[in-house]
Amino acid sequence: DIQMTQSPSTLSASVGDRVTITCRASQSIRSWLAWYQQKPGKAPKLLIYKASSLEGGVPSRFSGSESGTEFTLAISSLQPDDIATYYCQQYNSYPLTFGGGTKVEIK
Amino acid sequence: EVQLLESGGGLVQPGGSLRLSCTASGFTFSTYGMSWVRQAPGKGLEWVSGINGGGENTYYGDSVKGRFTISRDNSKNTLYLQMNSLRVGDTAVYYCAKRSRLPDAGPFDIWGQGTMVTVST
Repeated sequence: DIQMTQSPSTLSASVGDRVTITCRASQSIRSWLAWYQQKPGKAPKLLIYKASSLEGGVPSRFSGSESGTEFTLAISSLQPDDIATYYCQQYNSYPLTFGGGTKVEIK
Repeated sequence: EVQLLESGGGLVQPGGSLRLSCTASGFTFSTYGMSWVRQAPGKGLEWVSGINGGGENTYYGDSVKGRFTISRDNSKNTLYLQMNSLRVGDTAVYYCAKRSRLPDAGPFDIWGQGTMVTVST
């Protein structure tokens, strides 16, 4: 099974800051990596697919990048509405696996 | 509107069974792979099981293999999860989710609202 290691587990930043979240796959997943945003009591929402493609309707301050088996989600200017938990997921092969999540808080 | 609606959650004793349903609308259900994803209280997301559009291929996470069965009825646009030999550790919100690419690929672009399953005495 492919393990997804996500860091940090929590992140505190100020409004307007650039924040980054990292996800490392235990083996090659090519670019089959997605990022989701989950707010309390709600279902996850797809933000990024294929490592760097922005899902329709997602603000352009969100972006994704990759370098080998390391993937990064960046928020260019943190907004109050971005307070949530973020998860990466590999969909290269079954069993599909998620990272442990990163809770983003406002400082 | 593309929508998934889960039902069937509830309180069950350890060792018991429960069947979850997920009714789809707004897209051609039979052509997309579907999955169940769960989230224990205060914990992260865990993929549970997946099935391709025709229902011929099924996949399971190690924690539920041999106890849970995923299936679908494309004539009713409905996905199921039969859960047997339930354990306290199966307590979670269960989401159904649609894969975004044909035939059974891509990330999950549509999620249901979730149904809570509580396994307790």
